[in-house]
Amino acid sequence: NAGVTQTPKFRILKIGQSMTLQCTQDMNHNYMYWYRQDPGMGLKLIYYSVGAGITDKGEVPNGYNVSRSTTEDFPLRLELAAPSQTSVYFCASSYDRWETQYFGPGTRLLVL
Amino acid sequence: EDQVTQSPEALRLQEGESSSLNCSYTVSGLRGLFWYRQDPGKGPEFLFTLYSAGEEKEKERLKATLTKKESFLHITAPKPEDSATYLCAVQARDMRFGAGTRLTVKP
Repeated sequence: NAGVTQTPKFRILKIGQSMTLQCTQDMNHNYMYWYRQDPGMGLKLIYYSVGAGITDKGEVPNGYNVSRSTTEDFPLRLELAAPSQTSVYFCASSYDRWETQYFGPGTRLLVL
Repeated sequence: EDQVTQSPEALRLQEGESSSLNCSYTVSGLRGLFWYRQDPGKGPEFLFTLYSAGEEKEKERLKATLTKKESFLHITAPKPEDSATYLCAVQARDMRFGAGTRLTVKP
């Protein structure tokens, strides 16, 4: 099993550009999550999904969108990139809401 | 509001010098407390889950304990390869992460 995979590893965006961060899991987990990690701060939940077609906002959803058309994939969309979105983004998955979350390797995003 | 605080922010140890990391929390309805290890440039790697006060889990040189207000990650005779950031997270209404403790073990 590859676990949770994310692409790209690193990206530089200009202000106002858009991009999609990809996340795939092969563990047949129902729940998937997107977090951002900023220096000196804990991971912050952006969006999560409880299954295909069902998504909900986390603590810091502004400026992001998600969709989940399959069990395996949970892409995160940035429509109008802003410098405040410079961060490291992690995707995670779990079988159930209260169970251990397993993380991908992260995408480092720099918005200039 | 649910809060998770880890201390110290950074810890430098000599190889073989045992110590403990602290995770204190204030949440309503704790469902689980998780410890993760994170190496530079990588995603968090799961270590332990603790569910109730008094519970303990061990893995190699690491031992995690839980009380009603805090958890400790004890590191016994650490080695340089234990150097990493250790994250604590509590699961209540949702998952809340602490900022982590950056551990450096010098040979």
